[in-house]
Amino acid sequence: DAGITQSPRHKVTETGTPVTLRCHQTENHRYMYWYRQDPGHGLRLIHYSYGVKDTDKGEVSDGYSVSRSKTEDFLLTLESATSSQTSVYFCAISEGGRAETQYFGPGTRLLVL
Amino acid sequence: EDQVTQSPEALRLQEGESSSLNCSYTVSGLRGLFWYRQDPGKGPEFLFTLYSAGEEKEKERLKATLTKKESFLHITAPKPEDSATYLCAVQAGTGANNLFFGTGTRLTVIP
Repeated sequence: DAGITQSPRHKVTETGTPVTLRCHQTENHRYMYWYRQDPGHGLRLIHYSYGVKDTDKGEVSDGYSVSRSKTEDFLLTLESATSSQTSVYFCAISEGGRAETQYFGPGTRLLVL
Repeated sequence: EDQVTQSPEALRLQEGESSSLNCSYTVSGLRGLFWYRQDPGKGPEFLFTLYSAGEEKEKERLKATLTKKESFLHITAPKPEDSATYLCAVQAGTGANNLFFGTGTRLTVIP
C-alpha cells in the first residue's frame, strides 16, 4: 500500500466553522491531490499540488483552499463549512504528473450540520 | 467536454459466472485510462493503466482492454471477494493532471 494517511478519518462540524483536513505521505511523491466523492458523481478534483508551495485549482475549488509547506503534507481547508461540503474527501499522490498512476488514501468522512 | 460513463451501475453474478464491465469515454487527447477497485469505506485501489487502443492488461481474474472509445474490465470466474465497486477514470491531454472518474459499477458476487 502507498504510504498515505489522512486525518481526521471522521469529522462532524457545524455550518460556518473552518475545517482543516490533513494528508501525509511517506513516498516522497511530487504531486498531491484532493478529491471529493459524492453519490451520483465520480470523484472530482478540488485542488492539486505539483511541489512545495505550488498549487492549482481543480474543477470544484470554490470554498476550499490548500497549502503545502513540506513535500509530505498537503492540507485542505474549508474556510467556512457549508452543508454542501458534506462529503468523503480523498487525498491522492503520484510520482509524476502526466499519465502517472495516482494512489489514494483511506479518506475522511465529513459531515457539516 | 470530457466525460466518462460506466455501465451497468450494478451487477450481480453467481460465483464462477464471467462478465464484463464497460467504461465509455469522450476526452480530448487521452493520456491514460485507469481502473480502480473501491471497497466500502475505503479509498480507491489501483488496478490497471491503459495508454493506447489495443492494449490489454491482466491481473488474476481481471483483464482490462482499451479501444478508441471504451474500455472493458473482464472478470473471469469471479469469487465473492471480487465484490466491490469498480471505477474507471481517464486523464485528458489538456489542463490539470486530474483524473475524470465515472460513477462506478457495483459488483456483487454471490456464493
